[in-house]
Amino acid sequence: GAVVSQHPSRVICKSGTSVKIECRSLDFQATTMFWYRQFPKKSLMLMATSNEGSKATYEQGVEKDKFLINHASLTLSTLTVTSAHPEDSSFYICSARQNGRLYNEQFFGPGTRLTVL
Amino acid sequence: GNSVTQMEGPVTLSEEAFLTINCTYTATGYPSLFWYVQYPGEGLQLLLKATKADDKGSNKGFEATYRKETTSFHLEKGSVQVSDSAVYFCALSDRVTGGGNKLTFGTGTQLKVEL
Repeated sequence: GAVVSQHPSRVICKSGTSVKIECRSLDFQATTMFWYRQFPKKSLMLMATSNEGSKATYEQGVEKDKFLINHASLTLSTLTVTSAHPEDSSFYICSARQNGRLYNEQFFGPGTRLTVL
Repeated sequence: GNSVTQMEGPVTLSEEAFLTINCTYTATGYPSLFWYVQYPGEGLQLLLKATKADDKGSNKGFEATYRKETTSFHLEKGSVQVSDSAVYFCALSDRVTGGGNKLTFGTGTQLKVEL
C-alpha cells in the first residue's frame, strides 16, 4: 500500500517549452502533496506544498509563475515547468501525505528526470 | 533555520561489515528524525524514524538513536548485505502547528556493498 507514481519518468524538451509532471497517490487519498527538486549530490529541496482544492504554498526563492502546481483531486497533483530553460534541468520528486494516518508520513514517488536542451 | 548534515559518501564496504552513517542536525524545538533509503531507480522509502529524545528507530537490521545532547541520529547496521546498496538520507520534520510537517533532508550518502 501507499504507492505514489510519477509520470513521465524522463522527459527531454526544448528550451522555451512547458512540461507537465504528474504525481498520483495510487491507493490512498492525499490532501497534501509536496514537490521537491534534487540536484546531483545534493539534498532534496522542498519547492512547494500542494493542497487539494487550494493554492500551493511555495518555498522562498521558488518562482510561482515558473513552477505551476495544481492539486485538483485527492489523488493527483501536477507540476508544470513553464518556458523551461536548461537551468531547470533537474530531478523532480513528489511525495504525498496519507489522509487519516495518525502520523503524517510522506510517501515518495520515483522521480522525474527533466532535461531541457 | 533547520539543517541536516550527513557524512559524505560514497561509502564502500564488504558484505557483513559494520555500517555507520553519521547524521547531525540543527533545529528549533523538538523535531522528529528519519532515515530514508533510495534504491536505484526508485523513490525514497522510509527506513526508520524516532519522534523524541532517546527513542531508537529500527527496521531491517538498521538502527538509529535520537540523541538530543549531541543532536545526532547516526544510522548503524551490524552486517550489511549487497542488497543494502542504496542512497541513504537523514531528515528531520519540525513540529509546526497547522499541519506543516515539512521535511529537511541531508545531502544523502551513497552506500555500495561488495562481495
